[in-house]
Amino acid sequence: SQELEQSPQSLIVQEGKNLTINCTSSKTLYGLYWYKQKYGEGLIFLMMLQKGGEEKSHEKITAKLDEKKQQSSLHITASQPSHAGIYLCGAVHGSSNTGKLIFGQGTTLQVKP
Amino acid sequence: SAVISQKPSRDICQRGTSLTIQCQVDSQVTMMFWYRQQPGQSLTLIATANQGSEATYESGFVIDKFPISRPNLTFSTLTVSNMSPEDSSIYLCSVARIVETQYFGPGTRLLVL
Repeated sequence: SQELEQSPQSLIVQEGKNLTINCTSSKTLYGLYWYKQKYGEGLIFLMMLQKGGEEKSHEKITAKLDEKKQQSSLHITASQPSHAGIYLCGAVHGSSNTGKLIFGQGTTLQVKP
Repeated sequence: SAVISQKPSRDICQRGTSLTIQCQVDSQVTMMFWYRQQPGQSLTLIATANQGSEATYESGFVIDKFPISRPNLTFSTLTVSNMSPEDSSIYLCSVARIVETQYFGPGTRLLVL
């Protein structure tokens, strides 16, 4: 099984709707990173979560870390076409920051105007 | 944040040849990594580029196939040697200066014929 599972794999929402993407780790997390990737482009760093219960925001995107469940959720409020893309979670596992990221398979988001 | 450039941005190569990809950062960073993103897939870590010493490779990746150099704290190269069509991927470098952030370059799109 995957060390890092993302769900759903793809998502189509109407503009203005809220949505949530989940990322679950099978191993102890040192840190959990969220990125956005547009086709043919590099990864845009959104935020990094490290402590249980920690919540961070980047514009209309909020992410929270549930350390006990080793899970993070990314929530987009009032989605816009500009939110479309592939969202990737990446994890550093273990007890120290090696910087080595293991990635989930990604969630492809389409926002219909 | 960090400004990262990669050269070339894309290339088409013949099988059996080698390609060297450069990664340049606008300021000194402690960690540099190389990742591969195969078509339709997520990212996989190839190796950690260590300044002044040999790179540390992940399982499934070897130095003979992916030699890496890091002569200083702002520059690294990845060579894809003796290429085959299976090496067609996007190759990305990433950098981390502090624990909470890891930024990615724009990527190099490689097509091997």
